[in-house]
Amino acid sequence: AQSVSQHNHHVILSEAASLELGCNYSYGGTVNLFWYVQYPGQHLQLLLKYFSGDPLVKGIKGFEAEFIKSKFSFNLRKPSVQWSDTAEYFCALYSAGNMLTFGGGTRLMVKP
Amino acid sequence: NAGVTQTPKFQVLKTGQSMTLQCAQDMNHEYMSWYRQDPGMGLRLIHYSVGAGITDQGEVPNGYNVSRSTTEDFPLRLLSAAPSQTSVYFCASSSLAGRSYNEQFFGPGTRLTVL
Repeated sequence: AQSVSQHNHHVILSEAASLELGCNYSYGGTVNLFWYVQYPGQHLQLLLKYFSGDPLVKGIKGFEAEFIKSKFSFNLRKPSVQWSDTAEYFCALYSAGNMLTFGGGTRLMVKP
Repeated sequence: NAGVTQTPKFQVLKTGQSMTLQCAQDMNHEYMSWYRQDPGMGLRLIHYSVGAGITDQGEVPNGYNVSRSTTEDFPLRLLSAAPSQTSVYFCASSSLAGRSYNEQFFGPGTRLTVL
């Protein structure tokens, strides 16, 4: 069965600091990975996705993620965070039947 | 388009009560699903549907029923609420065009507390 792990449950950063959120997955099929963001009081929004090709994918709002097959990882990065990036971030894996398996989420707080 | 809408936004129930969480989408999506979100556990799939009249169980279906009589609506029923069902519930929908993944669009969520 597939699984997704996010080891950082809470992250606190100051504005302009660099961000890296870890995501590891376990799945025996073709890997399609996503990062979703949930801003306070809002619904989930897609940040970026990896299907195939270039392992470095760029998403909205300056976020990027790198797929490293040998490490079963898909870490999310941003060079310089802003207060408005305060949110909860979810890594997710697509499997057959349009199903998503989510990680436990990482709450990011950016201090102004 | 309103996208995916959910009602109510908040609900408090007593143990043993029943209720229905409503979900509707106006994008003519075939696929609809219900997730529950619990701290540290991410979102877990409860039930899903690939079209009117077709539903199936997800990862955590116990205690929940669903039906899909129309393309637009996908209600989630709690027949006898339990405190373990205290959670935030999200509905999502997507197209099923093509063979690869189609982006799922999420509703705003329903926060349910069972006392």
